[in-house]
Amino acid sequence: EIVLTQSPATLSLSPGERATLSCRASQSISSQLAWYQQKPGQAPRLLVYDASNRATGIPARFSGSGSGTDFTLTISSLEPEDFAVYYCQQRSNWPRTFGQGTKVEIK
Amino acid sequence: EMQLLESGGGLVQPGGSLRLSCAASGFTFGNSAMTWVRQAPGKGLEWVSTISGGGAATFYADAVKGRFTISRDNSENTQYLQMTSLRAEDTAIYYCAKGGHYSAFGPWGKGTLVTVSS
Repeated sequence: EIVLTQSPATLSLSPGERATLSCRASQSISSQLAWYQQKPGQAPRLLVYDASNRATGIPARFSGSGSGTDFTLTISSLEPEDFAVYYCQQRSNWPRTFGQGTKVEIK
Repeated sequence: EMQLLESGGGLVQPGGSLRLSCAASGFTFGNSAMTWVRQAPGKGLEWVSTISGGGAATFYADAVKGRFTISRDNSENTQYLQMTSLRAEDTAIYYCAKGGHYSAFGPWGKGTLVTVSS
């Protein structure tokens, strides 16, 4: 099973600041990584697929990068609606696995 | 607009069974793999099962293998998750999502809550 480790667990930032979230895979997954956003009481929403492709309707302030084992989700300038939990997920191998999540909270 | 709507959740006793449904609209259902993901209270996301577009290929998490069965009816644009021998640790919100075989999961339904308790 591929283990995805996200860091940090919590990121405390102010609106307008840049957020950098990390996801590390226990073995190479090429670019087969996605990022999701989940707000309290809501279903997750796909943000980025295949490491760097924004999903339909996702603002340009969200960007993904990386390949192999190290991946990054960057939010260039935090908007109030961006404070949420973010998960990475791999589709390279079965079982599909998620990281444990990074909570982006208001400082 | 693509939409997914889960139903069938509820309270069930340990050892009991439940069948979840996910009705899809707004895309060519038969061409799309479909997935179930669950989230225990206060916890992260856990992949449960994926079925290919034609239904020939199915995949399961070890935690549910042998107890859960994923299926689909492409004429009804609906996928299912038959859950048997339910345990307390199966308590979670169960989300239906498009994709999962050769693509990421998206979009997602709003979820249905399954509570396993006596």
